[in-house]
Amino acid sequence: GQNIDQPTEMTATEGAIVQINCTYQTSGFNGLFWYQQHAGEAPTFLSYNVLDGLEEKGRFSSFLSRSKGYSYLLLKELQMKDSASYLCAVKDSNYQLIWGAGTKLIIKP
Amino acid sequence: TAGITQAPTSQILAAGRSMTLRCTQDMRHNAMYWYRQDLGLGLRLIHYSNTAGTTGKGEVPDGYSVSRANTDDFPLTLASAVPSQTSVYFCASSPGERGDNEQFFGPGTRLTVL
Repeated sequence: GQNIDQPTEMTATEGAIVQINCTYQTSGFNGLFWYQQHAGEAPTFLSYNVLDGLEEKGRFSSFLSRSKGYSYLLLKELQMKDSASYLCAVKDSNYQLIWGAGTKLIIKP
Repeated sequence: TAGITQAPTSQILAAGRSMTLRCTQDMRHNAMYWYRQDLGLGLRLIHYSNTAGTTGKGEVPDGYSVSRANTDDFPLTLASAVPSQTSVYFCASSPGERGDNEQFFGPGTRLTVL
């Protein structure tokens, strides 16, 4: 079967750095996405990785290792508005997104 | 630009009744998707359409049907609702299904089936 695993919840302090991990087992791989979802709202796109390595976009970076079936999202200089759920999703061999259950990130002052 | 809209925002529905959730996008995207999101679970794909006139089944299609008569609209119909269909439903669209095309999501419809 296909499986995306990520921690259910994480807590971090404002101004700090946090790393959210995602491991996956899917039938085929055509890229990995990270989305942000604030409570009661729709998911919004953060990043896309298809090759191994680190993609940096402002305060957010995403890393991929295809051989390990592993990705992480790194958030720097945390702000209160970063309190949200972070969803990891993999495009499988049929180009459909398989979604993890999401990691709820709680930011404390 | 409105992007992608859904209606209604929320609905309470009696079991056994039918209902159509509406989804419209103005981005001229080829691909559209319907997901349900339940607490503790990832988004699950119900049906999708890679282009107008075609549809496909996702992970959890039973009890749902879709149509794609044109590029902009992708309605989802529940023929005879059951309580297990209580969920938040998101419609999404993307320029295409391949490559790095991100999906853009509508605001969601919160459906309760009693």
